[in-house]
Amino acid sequence: EAQVTQNPRYLITVTGKKLTVTCSQNMNHEYMSWYRQDPGLGLRQIYYSMNVEVTDKGDVPEGYKVSRKEKRNFPLILESPSPNQTSLYFCASSLLVPGTLSNSPLHFGNGTRLTVT
Amino acid sequence: GENVEQHPSTLSVQEGDSAVIKCTYSDSASNYFPWYKQELGKGPQLIIDIRSNVGEKKDQRIAVTLNKTAKHFSLHITETQPEDSAVYFCAARAGTYNNAGNMLTFGGGTRLMVKP
Repeated sequence: EAQVTQNPRYLITVTGKKLTVTCSQNMNHEYMSWYRQDPGLGLRQIYYSMNVEVTDKGDVPEGYKVSRKEKRNFPLILESPSPNQTSLYFCASSLLVPGTLSNSPLHFGNGTRLTVT
Repeated sequence: GENVEQHPSTLSVQEGDSAVIKCTYSDSASNYFPWYKQELGKGPQLIIDIRSNVGEKKDQRIAVTLNKTAKHFSLHITETQPEDSAVYFCAARAGTYNNAGNMLTFGGGTRLMVKP
């Protein structure tokens, strides 16, 4: 089944303790992206990657890192989490950059709810 | 950069009625406008999209209209059913594949409740 898999689904941690949220897609997509969802603010892009070893900042990159060493994986790293990073995080992928082809929709994972105390 | 505003933030309708969600965008270069539906505990899923060279697109009970002059686009759901209850997001994307403006900018979301 074609899907974007994020792990873990839920994570509670303390300020300053490094964590990684994994994301993997099995559709051979070039484009991958991380978003955070906060009430009233919709989905805001953190980082995106247009291909292996190619990453770029989105709207809200501060406090986050990503890597794209393989096409299928795009982990999100919080080196020193803070309470303002408490949020619902989504990984997404598409064949190409969204909008370049009509058959290249953005596929989302089921989310990771992160709480930083 | 692009700014997308979405209204209303919550919408309650009776089953069988129509629902309309509206979005405005700021960047006149935006050329792709998708709509996503997010069910409880799941990620958003694309339900319909429209490009700037088209004014309206329909898919069964859902339709999207685009007014480029006014820079707004709307989602219309007819004959609503309880399973339409979800959070809906609009988005806009400017630019082309090779430029820096590659990201989708999302609206704040609309929680639609369809009462049986």
